[in-house]
Amino acid sequence: DTGVSQDPRHKITKRGQNVTFRCDPISEHNRLYWYRQTLGQGPEFLTYFQNEAQLEKSRLLSDRFSAERPKGSFSTLEIQRTEQGDSAMYLCASSLDGTATDTQYFGPGTRLTVL
Amino acid sequence: AQTVTQSQPEMSVQEAETVTLSCTYDTSESDYYLFWYKQPPSRQMILVIRQEAYKQQNATENRFSVNFQKAAKSFSLKISDSQLGDAAMYFCAYRTSSGGSNYKLTFGKGTLLTVNP
Repeated sequence: DTGVSQDPRHKITKRGQNVTFRCDPISEHNRLYWYRQTLGQGPEFLTYFQNEAQLEKSRLLSDRFSAERPKGSFSTLEIQRTEQGDSAMYLCASSLDGTATDTQYFGPGTRLTVL
Repeated sequence: AQTVTQSQPEMSVQEAETVTLSCTYDTSESDYYLFWYKQPPSRQMILVIRQEAYKQQNATENRFSVNFQKAAKSFSLKISDSQLGDAAMYFCAYRTSSGGSNYKLTFGKGTLLTVNP
């Protein structure tokens, strides 16, 4: 399977703990996006990378959130000191080159539950 | 800022029948892209169809077609000959064609489609 993969698929943690999610994009894609989807809502943009550079972060991404994409390959999203409001599905998407016509391909998501 | 509104939280259709999902959006831009994505239960989101705003012709992909009304800022999805596998959450999404390099998607809240056998 050469699609976007995410790990883990599910994560249950206690409030105050740190969690880290991983996204592996389609291999030749240089754009990588993170979105968050809460129950009953559509996905909301969090941040995106062009190769290894993080070019924009949403105001939704508080200081407790950090994302990296070392060497422009896989990406990680870390949440420190988790809160119950962080419970959501975290989606990763990648696209080939960021041109106006390119398509974002989504991974299966990581569902986070904060107790 | 752009917004996307899907006014139908849930829709149902009989197998083999046709259903139309509604979407409206708000933007001040003249050039942009609109998408319909499908998210089956516990499965990843996949692109159903895409429409470029500068194209007057409505996009079609097999049983899926759109009715794009640019002046009305409306972008509905028609599913013909509905199949059980079409059951999913459907999201309408907007993307600028300019704005530097961030081609983030702005999504509506989704419409849950049920297909009855």
